[in-house]
Parts: sequence; C-alpha cells; structure tokens
Amino acid sequence: EPEVTQTPSHQVTQMGQEVILRCVPISNHLYFYWYRQILGQKVEFLVSFYNNEISEKSEIFDDQFSVERPDGSNFTLKIRSTKLEDSAMYFCASSEFQGGGYTFGSGTRLTVV
Amino acid sequence: SQKIEQNSEALNIQEGKTATLTCNYTNYSPAYLQWYRQDPGRGPVFLLLIRENEKEKRKERLKVTFDTTLKQSLFHITASQPADSATYLCALALYNFNKFYFGSGTKLNVKP
Repeated sequence: EPEVTQTPSHQVTQMGQEVILRCVPISNHLYFYWYRQILGQKVEFLVSFYNNEISEKSEIFDDQFSVERPDGSNFTLKIRSTKLEDSAMYFCASSEFQGGGYTFGSGTRLTVV
Repeated sequence: SQKIEQNSEALNIQEGKTATLTCNYTNYSPAYLQWYRQDPGRGPVFLLLIRENEKEKRKERLKVTFDTTLKQSLFHITASQPADSATYLCALALYNFNKFYFGSGTKLNVKP
C-alpha cells in the first residue's frame, strides 16, 4: 500500500536553529499538508499546498515557517529559528482530491532544547 | 472558531461488543466529517469519510452516522477486537476543504 514517508523520524535541535523536515507524499496525490501534534494535544493544521502554492495556512504558520516542493516528489517544512514551543510531532499528509481522506506519514518528532 | 468535542474519558469494552464513539461539534456545519485511528507515536490512519448529505456510511465492521440537526457523528465498531484498541479522532472540514479540524480523540480499550 502506498505510504507517505517522513524523515527524520526524530530531530533534536538547539533553540534558534533552522530545521527542515522532509516528506515524500504519495506519487499521484495532488494536495499536501503539514499538521502538528504537541504531546497530549490535538492534531492541528499548519498549512495546505496545491499546485505549487500555499492554499491556506494557520495562525501558527508565521514567518518562521515555510514550505517547498523543490522537485516532483519531496515536500519540505522549514522552521527558520526554532523555539521551545515548536517541540511537537510534525505530520505530513497528502490526499488525492480535495476533502478526501488523508494519508499521513509516521511523523517527525521535533525536540527543541 | 469550530469546536469539536470527543469524550476525553477512555472507553473500555469487552471483546465482541459494539463500541460507540461520539463526536459533537459547534458553530458551522461541516461539509465533510472523517474518522481516523491513531496509535501511540504514529500518524493518524484514515478510516471513513461522510458528507453532510449522507446519514450513514459503512465499511466492514465500521459504521459512521452524521446528524446535522444534533451536530453529532457517531462511530461504531461492531464485534470489537483487542486489536481495535487505539485512539479514534474525528475531523471535520467546512466548505473550505483546505484544512480539517481535529477533535482530541477518544481512547478505546477492548479487553479480551
């Protein structure tokens, strides 16, 4: 069964450092998303991406965050200057059509120290 | 903003029984409502989607209902098994399909 692949599975970074989280969505999917889940809390929306541009972003997704689809397969989330409160599990997801069921990756656990 | 409520208390049931989980929402009526399963340390896994004009959807042992008057969705697992033990999340999308709002999930424990 097709999977969404995320790397790394776990990243520890110093506060103020830049991190890039990587995702390979399912190949025939057109819609891409980043969500995050702080430990013990809800899965919360960060950004959606379609046709090489951001469709929507949440209040969390401020100027420190950016997304990119540099080639036909990868989808990345960059945090420029990490804060302690950015520590969370970050999930990439993709869907074949808008409003359809998402396929989530296994996540990247980001720990900011 | 959209508020989604799922029972935060764990649901403990005996193997073979039907588990029923509830998702209530306030404010706007969603166009789509989805249910996901999440195991510890893993990403959510999509189970079922139901649209606002649908009353019920089934997939194998799973059934979802959607009552837009009550602003509620029920998720049923029939003939439950210990392997069904997980946290179940509901998620809804408004007419803007670019994002889903997730509930906090209900943990289901199925005892053998």
